[in-house]
Amino acid sequence: IAGITQAPTSQILAAGRRMTLRCTQDMRHNAMYWYRQDLGLGLRLIHYSNTAGTTGKGEVPDGYSVSRANTDDFPLTLASAVPSQTSVYFCASSYSTYRDTNTGELFFGEGSRLTVL
Amino acid sequence: GDSVTQMEGPVTLSEEAFLTINCTYTATGYPSLFWYVQYPGEGLQLLLKATKADDKGSNKGFEATYRKETTSFHLEKGSVQVSDSAVYFCALRGRSGSEKLVFGKGTKLTVNP
Repeated sequence: IAGITQAPTSQILAAGRRMTLRCTQDMRHNAMYWYRQDLGLGLRLIHYSNTAGTTGKGEVPDGYSVSRANTDDFPLTLASAVPSQTSVYFCASSYSTYRDTNTGELFFGEGSRLTVL
Repeated sequence: GDSVTQMEGPVTLSEEAFLTINCTYTATGYPSLFWYVQYPGEGLQLLLKATKADDKGSNKGFEATYRKETTSFHLEKGSVQVSDSAVYFCALRGRSGSEKLVFGKGTKLTVNP
């Protein structure tokens, strides 16, 4: 069982370049998320999607965009990368509904380390 | 808005020592509470959870009790092992209908032999 697959694992990118981080899950989860992890700041939510066809902004959405064309894929795009976007990016998914208060568990990928020079 | 505050790290312990990592939260209503663990080079994984007041979550020798009166969810383990070295994140999910988790900043634990 693959779970969540992220690609690339690591990338060095010149400032101003466009970059897409890929995320695929095979668990048929409704909801998907993108977080960035920075030392001293923990995990911060960038964008999320409660179900295919919908997306929403998280805590730090500026400079990022997402799409959710189907259940399995949730790519994150940096249209014009800047050094402050150097971070480790985690994709996550969960299978729960608004009325289900007994789950809420997120399943995480192994992360994509992005360095913007 | 909802928030989570956990103790600053890093925490360094000797093997078999007792561990407490404090976590307090601010939220409207009765959130669900979680502890996630991140081992070196990996993504986060759920360690334990509690969905209502006075619930105790437990897993792998770790425990945490949902204390509504003190808005706390402290993580404890009676005897840590070297393999417990990791970063631990406290998190909550509110009852507003959103699926999103709010995380604390993480506490790095190092256990020495």
